[in-house]
Amino acid sequence: GAVVSQHPSRVICKSGTSVKIECRSLDFQATTMFWYRQFPKKSLMLMATSNEGSKATYEQGVEKDKFLINHASLTLSTLTVTSAHPEDSSFYICSASDPGTGSPHEQYFGPGTRLTVT
Amino acid sequence: QQQVKQSPQSLIVQKGGISIINCAYENTAFDYFPWYQQFPGKGPALLIAIRPDVSEKKEGRFTISFNKSAKQFSLHIMDSQPGDSATYFCAASTASGTYKYIFGTGTRLKVLA
Repeated sequence: GAVVSQHPSRVICKSGTSVKIECRSLDFQATTMFWYRQFPKKSLMLMATSNEGSKATYEQGVEKDKFLINHASLTLSTLTVTSAHPEDSSFYICSASDPGTGSPHEQYFGPGTRLTVT
Repeated sequence: QQQVKQSPQSLIVQKGGISIINCAYENTAFDYFPWYQQFPGKGPALLIAIRPDVSEKKEGRFTISFNKSAKQFSLHIMDSQPGDSATYFCAASTASGTYKYIFGTGTRLKVLA
């Protein structure tokens, strides 16, 4: 149980284009989803927290107009990187929590999406 | 005060040995402390977690030791195996707000065969 998927696993896009990453909770309802960014050999950096049906809460320093987050249903959140540039190249990871049946603390992580902007 | 400090940055252990990774925190409001294992190109996977009302928790070869007064916790991997070679992250969260995690900086473990 508690499986989180991400799509795509890898994406290459040209500078200036937008790319959407999906995060799905496959066997539970995720009222809260988190989006992280991870640079090579570095820790996970929380970008934003999203609750189903409400606006995402962004961490300090994260541009909300550049990283658009939508959490329209209890099983799906999307991260759209708008007008991507090479410096946006990174590993993006989502996680989801299911406070309804489990601990609200426990986060289940997706497999990550490798974004390369050329 | 929101930081979680993790050490060492990297660790090399012989097969069958004990791997020990340490984390320290300042915020006494933290009340949940998970450890995650991450392989290259993959998402983190939960190994084991502890709350501050217990001093030790063991699951298989993995043990968390928790020292509330010192605000420190550690992961012990007994009988380390080459398959344990990965990056390990500690984290902490509070019951207030969104339960978001503050991650440590990570420890790259290499277990020699």
